[in-house]
Amino acid sequence: NAGVMQNPRHLVRRRGQEARLRCSPMKGHSHVYWYRQLPEEGLKFMVYLQKENIIDESGMPKERFSAEFPKEGPSILRIQQVVRGDSAAYFCASSPPTSYYEQYFGPGTRLTVT
Amino acid sequence: AQSVTQLDSQVPVFEEAPVELRCNYSSSVSVYLFWYVQYPNQGLQLLLKYLSGSTLVKGINGFEAEFNKSQTSFHLRKPSVHISDTAEYFCAVSSNTNAGKSTFGDGTTLTVKP
Repeated sequence: NAGVMQNPRHLVRRRGQEARLRCSPMKGHSHVYWYRQLPEEGLKFMVYLQKENIIDESGMPKERFSAEFPKEGPSILRIQQVVRGDSAAYFCASSPPTSYYEQYFGPGTRLTVT
Repeated sequence: AQSVTQLDSQVPVFEEAPVELRCNYSSSVSVYLFWYVQYPNQGLQLLLKYLSGSTLVKGINGFEAEFNKSQTSFHLRKPSVHISDTAEYFCAVSSNTNAGKSTFGDGTTLTVKP
């Protein structure tokens, strides 16, 4: 059973470009969560999604950030017009439908904005 | 609201010595508690979890933790550490009322010296 998959593992973008981060949950998992880890800090919750629904986006910055989890395909975290402060590791986690608190993490995407 | 405080940002210890990584939480409702380990440039791996039942929880790699409701603590212990235990350790809390939103501490860096 493959774990949570994220790609790319490393992403370099220039200021003003767009970043797209992908997450494929574990088989059988229908809940996806995105977290951001700034250097020297813990993980901060960004958004919680189920298929075609955003359940909780209270941790998402109000501008430039969006997330989706379509009926088919991976979840996407999209950052428009990236700035240097967006440089961080972005982790995706997934959980089964009956125990959403048991989250399994992917390896992360490390975004560097130059 | 829920929060997590990891009381030590860095814990140096000699190989084969015991170690305790401290975690306190605050929450107004019943909680689920987790410890994760993160090796450099990797994702988070679940060490152990407390959902209900016995307050002493055993995890992987010889780690265990004890849930203490009166002290709102969930300290992680290992009786004898190895060099390979050198990593960042995160305590996290979740609950039924904050479905999907895990709150993480800022992490404790465990460094095992020969």
